[in-house]
Amino acid sequence: DTAVSQTPKYLVTQMGNDKSIKCEQNLGHDTMYWYKQDSKKFLKIMFSYNNKELIINETVPNRFSPKSPDKAHLNLHINSLELGDSAVYFCASSGLAHSGANVLTFGAGSRLTVL
Amino acid sequence: QQQVKQSPQSLIVQKGGISIINCAYENTAFDYFPWYQQFPGKGPALLIAIRPDVSEKKEGRFTISFNKSAKQFSLHIMDSQPGDSATYFCAAGGSGNTGKLIFGQGTTLQVKP
Repeated sequence: DTAVSQTPKYLVTQMGNDKSIKCEQNLGHDTMYWYKQDSKKFLKIMFSYNNKELIINETVPNRFSPKSPDKAHLNLHINSLELGDSAVYFCASSGLAHSGANVLTFGAGSRLTVL
Repeated sequence: QQQVKQSPQSLIVQKGGISIINCAYENTAFDYFPWYQQFPGKGPALLIAIRPDVSEKKEGRFTISFNKSAKQFSLHIMDSQPGDSATYFCAAGGSGNTGKLIFGQGTTLQVKP
């Protein structure tokens, strides 16, 4: 019944490796996001897709590549991992409330640790 | 112009007290101001939200006060409970399904029994 589910929950890997995080939502939302939460808990948007099309691409290194095979899925692939990539990555999806507001629903997060 | 500044960074309140967290924004195009609550090991979850056409919104023990001219808004938690201990984020964004949210830096609230 989980609305936004992401896997894996934990990732521990060596510098230089490549890793992927997968996300799926069953809310019927058209828009999905990746947010990064650093060690100080600051939440920063990385990417946003609307109906499989990239609509927001913040200043993120090219080593990060999102892919949306359909509007219910948004994956994040990270090449050549660096120590500074260690963070919690949150997937989210959004739909319009009756008020017209953009309500985000977050997944439980994927904690990436780069050694 | 995209920043949302939140204070304090951390807050300790006695059970039954009032918790107050403040946020300020710069972009006057923002027209949606939600607050999110995050427990350890979980993702942020929407707590309460306000649009700029009202100055206050109350849901149970949680109230948002909004001052459009000052570009500030705040979250008040009345009768704070230990179960309210969490990190709170204010955010601001534009309308529409593709509008992104800019989050404040977060406030870690601890409610002591």
